Amino acid sequence: QSALTQPASVSGSPGQSITISCAGTSNDIGRANLVSWYQHHPGKAPKLMIYEVGKRPSGVSDRFSGSRSGNTASLTISGLQPEDEADYHCCSYAGSSIFVFGGGTKLTVL
Amino acid sequence: QLQLEESGPGLVKPSETLSLTCTASGASISSITYYWGWIRQPPGKGLEWIGHIYYSGSTYYNPSLKSRVLISVDTSRNQFSLRLSSVTASDTATYYCARLFLIGSRGDFDYWGQGTLVTVSS
Repeated sequence: QSALTQPASVSGSPGQSITISCAGTSNDIGRANLVSWYQHHPGKAPKLMIYEVGKRPSGVSDRFSGSRSGNTASLTISGLQPEDEADYHCCSYAGSSIFVFGGGTKLTVL
Repeated sequence: QLQLEESGPGLVKPSETLSLTCTASGASISSITYYWGWIRQPPGKGLEWIGHIYYSGSTYYNPSLKSRVLISVDTSRNQFSLRLSSVTASDTATYYCARLFLIGSRGDFDYWGQGTLVTVSS
């Protein structure tokens, strides 16, 4: 099972919106709604930001949204804030109780 | 509020076995709703799912690691553990334990530990 493909880095200015893509196949992202996104500040525990493609856990800002088109999922962050600077990882169920992650994207808030 | 904490040696010699334990507090490992998983991140790389376990002992492993991995659970201590045998330098990584919500249309890791760095070196 190959890792999902994410851009290595993205950047944006405070107040702007950015989108991080996560490309997979019909065997993972395209097979079901089990796509999730995690925010990871170095040295801290990763935090679930999006589950089931586009749902937010309680307490996660509505500035974070998720979507999917075909075999590619996307995470959009609107109204960028300095504290959004972190690594972001996508994850998908790939059938047969297997999970696959993306390579991670480093978000820089300029 | 669930808290997960990884523990174990930070340095393992090549060809030996890496052993880590994850202790849960604030929730029971015996919950029928959740699985319990291990994920790792090599330096400068992305996350890699290692495997997960149900409280009953049913296990599911990454095919690329399956021959070397053993995940076990100790419900009396509210802990689950990872053993990775025949380690090499490529197993150097930060290892995370996490709770897996895998039911219905959900399949996501909703709580994570802070991770522990394991270095494989002689």
